[in-house]
Amino acid sequence: DAGVIQSPRHEVTEMGQEVTLRCKPISGHDYLFWYRQTMMRGLELLIYFNNNVPIDDSGMPEDRFSAKMPNASFSTLKIQPSEPRDSAVYFCASSLTSGRSDEQFFGPGTRLTVL
Amino acid sequence: QKEVEQDPGPLSVPEGAIVSLNCTYSNSAFQYFMWYRQYSRKGPELLMYTYSSGNKEDGRFTAQVDKSSKYISLFIRDSQPSDSATYLCAMAMVSNYQLIWGAGTKLIIKP
Repeated sequence: DAGVIQSPRHEVTEMGQEVTLRCKPISGHDYLFWYRQTMMRGLELLIYFNNNVPIDDSGMPEDRFSAKMPNASFSTLKIQPSEPRDSAVYFCASSLTSGRSDEQFFGPGTRLTVL
Repeated sequence: QKEVEQDPGPLSVPEGAIVSLNCTYSNSAFQYFMWYRQYSRKGPELLMYTYSSGNKEDGRFTAQVDKSSKYISLFIRDSQPSDSATYLCAMAMVSNYQLIWGAGTKLIIKP
């Protein structure tokens, strides 16, 4: 398996633009997580899905952020409009229902810079 | 106060030294304890996992949990430059798939 795939790897955009981050989880994994990582705040959970259904989005910072999972193999995180304070590395992770629920497999991340 | 406290470092030690990384937590409901390793510009990867008090060993790595003190540790023996990374502790409650993360400690092993 190729692991969790994220695209793009790097994104530079200007304030006010829409940004869409994409994730393909590991095949067969039931859970998908979106995280944001900054030096100041560390790793923060934004939202997670179980079987394509959003379970907890309490970490989504503002209404400017939205996430979807239209099927088991694809998820998007959208920021509209983007702001400089959204600059961070965004990780997608997936895990199995059975077995060790704690083991989350992370993608390589998308480094977002908002100018 | 954060649920999980971890010193961000950096911690710099010479090659071959024993390294001790630590986290404290406040929620006694945490039952699962993990250490993730994150290399620069990569995603975190699971290194060690335990759910009981005591020690768990895997090669040069030992994870220690003291639930009575709400304190967990990761020991690295015979540290190598390739161990240079950020180490994040994470915790979870029973049947809860949400992990609570420490801030991560940046470890530097000097050759």
